[in-house]
Amino acid sequence: QVQLQESGPGLVKPSETLSLSCTVSGASITDYYWTWIRQPPGEGLEYIGYISNSGSTNYNPSLKSRVTMSIDTSENKFSLKLTSVTAADTAVYYCARHYYNSRAYWISDYWGQGTLVTVSS
Amino acid sequence: IQLTQSPSSLSASVGDRVTITCRASQGISSYLAWYQQKPGKAPELLIYGASNLQTGVPSRFSGSGSATEFTLTISSLQPEDFATYYCQQVNTYPRTFGQGTKVEIK
Repeated sequence: QVQLQESGPGLVKPSETLSLSCTVSGASITDYYWTWIRQPPGEGLEYIGYISNSGSTNYNPSLKSRVTMSIDTSENKFSLKLTSVTAADTAVYYCARHYYNSRAYWISDYWGQGTLVTVSS
Repeated sequence: IQLTQSPSSLSASVGDRVTITCRASQGISSYLAWYQQKPGKAPELLIYGASNLQTGVPSRFSGSGSATEFTLTISSLQPEDFATYYCQQVNTYPRTFGQGTKVEIK
């Protein structure tokens, strides 16, 4: 069973950098793509981007200038950094597997439980 | 690509047939997924490829459509189905989601 677990600070000051990690168990991080999605309180879902098993990335243009994703194969985890945060970045951040399944569709089938990050001084 | 779901919310009773619509601002073939999200939980994949049921999802859920218009149908609403439902296009990047449809108890 594939499991993902987000970790990182729950409170970040404005203008600082948000840093989260997602540790994967039950699957090798080198076998799949991985994605970050966020959800502001009471609002809908927003795609942040993905990172491939080889380290290539795709970021949402709305966040591209502030986002960096990376993978750590030794610890089977991947990470998100978002710089110059403001209150608008307050959200629950989810990591998920981004998988090209046998029917040739991209799906996000396994998700972490999510972690709330609040941007406030 | 913008996705517009309708309605934004609905009230229904256990046993009702429920239909949610998702319209795309441009054609996305069958590259659409549906997710269910309960309060405080991560979204769960229900349908991929517009009409394919994800493993483990009850058969009362079904999806249909192509190009710009899609529907999610729950044939007989169960108590555990009260949740918010999102569509997501996986045709192009950036992936985008509909704004959600909240299904509440009547």
